[in-house]
Amino acid sequence: DGGITQSPKYLFRKEGQNVTLSCEQNLNHDAMYWYRQDPGQGLRLIYYSQIVNDFQKGDIAEGYSVSREKKESFPLTVTSAQKNPTAFYLCATRQGFYGYTFGSGTRLTVV
Amino acid sequence: DQQVKQNSPSLSVQEGRISILNCDYTNSMFDYFLWYKKYPAEGPTFLISISSIKDKNEDGRFTVFLNKSAKHLSLHIVPSQPGDSAVYFCAASAANLYNQGGKLIFGQGTELSVKP
Repeated sequence: DGGITQSPKYLFRKEGQNVTLSCEQNLNHDAMYWYRQDPGQGLRLIYYSQIVNDFQKGDIAEGYSVSREKKESFPLTVTSAQKNPTAFYLCATRQGFYGYTFGSGTRLTVV
Repeated sequence: DQQVKQNSPSLSVQEGRISILNCDYTNSMFDYFLWYKKYPAEGPTFLISISSIKDKNEDGRFTVFLNKSAKHLSLHIVPSQPGDSAVYFCAASAANLYNQGGKLIFGQGTELSVKP
């Protein structure tokens, strides 16, 4: 079955640590995205990539970094510079103009 | 600057009745609108969409209405079922946003509860 795999589903981070969230897709979609969801807020775009070895900042990129070395993979690193990292993180791909597919998400909690 | 707004955080409806979820937007450049359904700890799943050249789109129990002059869209679910209980997000995009990666602008979401 084609889809998006996000791992881990739950992640706990100590303050000051960097953590990396995994996103793997086998849909053969070129474009990939990272969104963040906070309670009572919509999804906000962190980073996106339309092609391998290229990525762009979204609306809330500060404190995050990404890489796109393979078409299938778009990992997100939450750095210690992110002041409020506790959130639900969603990876998505896009085919065509508006054919978005979302992964099942990773819940990151700072302890 | 919240370009897409869902002003009702929650909605409770009796099974079999109509659910109406509302969404307002401010950017007149938006030309495509989507509704997503989301369960806790899961990713959103696509429900229905509408292009700005239309004012209505229907898919089974789900109908989306678009009023461009009022910059308002609504999702109607008839009849509502307990399995419809979830958070519903409206999202918008535009051709110029497509050139910026095709990002979606999301509303805050409305939590629908359908009671048996």
